[in-house]
Amino acid sequence: GNSVTQMEGPVTLSEEAFLTINCTYTATGYPSLFWYVQYPGEGLQLLLKATKADDKGSNKGFEATYRKETTSFHLEKGSVQVSDSAVYFCALTPSGGYQKVTFGIGTKLQVIP
Amino acid sequence: AAGVIQSPRHLIKEKRETATLKCYPIPRHDTVYWYQQGPGQDPQFLISFYEKMQSDKGSIPDRFSAQQFSDYHSELNMSSLELGDSALYFCASSPQRTPHRTDTQYFGPGTRLTVL
Repeated sequence: GNSVTQMEGPVTLSEEAFLTINCTYTATGYPSLFWYVQYPGEGLQLLLKATKADDKGSNKGFEATYRKETTSFHLEKGSVQVSDSAVYFCALTPSGGYQKVTFGIGTKLQVIP
Repeated sequence: AAGVIQSPRHLIKEKRETATLKCYPIPRHDTVYWYQQGPGQDPQFLISFYEKMQSDKGSIPDRFSAQQFSDYHSELNMSSLELGDSALYFCASSPQRTPHRTDTQYFGPGTRLTVL
């Protein structure tokens, strides 16, 4: 079946540090890939997405590139802020669309001033 | 922009009681999904509906049922509540299916259910 593996947290960084959260997936065909973010006490927000190989999703300074050859979708940001502190979920939906989202376990990011 | 609306946002129930959670999708979204997120866990898929018909079923207990109405809103009915049902319940919706479809799911803020 489909699965998403992401690095376990928590990840603690100083403000303005570079962020990488690794994510790899297992799925047949060409799934759509997503990063969702959950701020403390809040719901899930779509951060970025990519629907085909070599696509780069980007939003709010975050980026991730769909790498079919390595089945990866790593999240990066060049300079994190305290306000980026949240839990980040890598996720996929299978080829064909309109199916359930399979989430990774989530990586908690804490940015300290 | 309009988002997915869920009500109530918080709900406290006793064991063996029933609960009804409501979800109002984004306008012109016809597919609704329900997820359950336990403390410190990733969301787990429960059930989905497309055009008022069940389209997929996940790890939803038999004590739970759901439906989608003609205005596309959905309700999750939970009976004989157990302590383990305490969780954050998310609803998500995705847009109407067209040749250039996008199946991106947009999540609501969630309903936090606490069973005492």
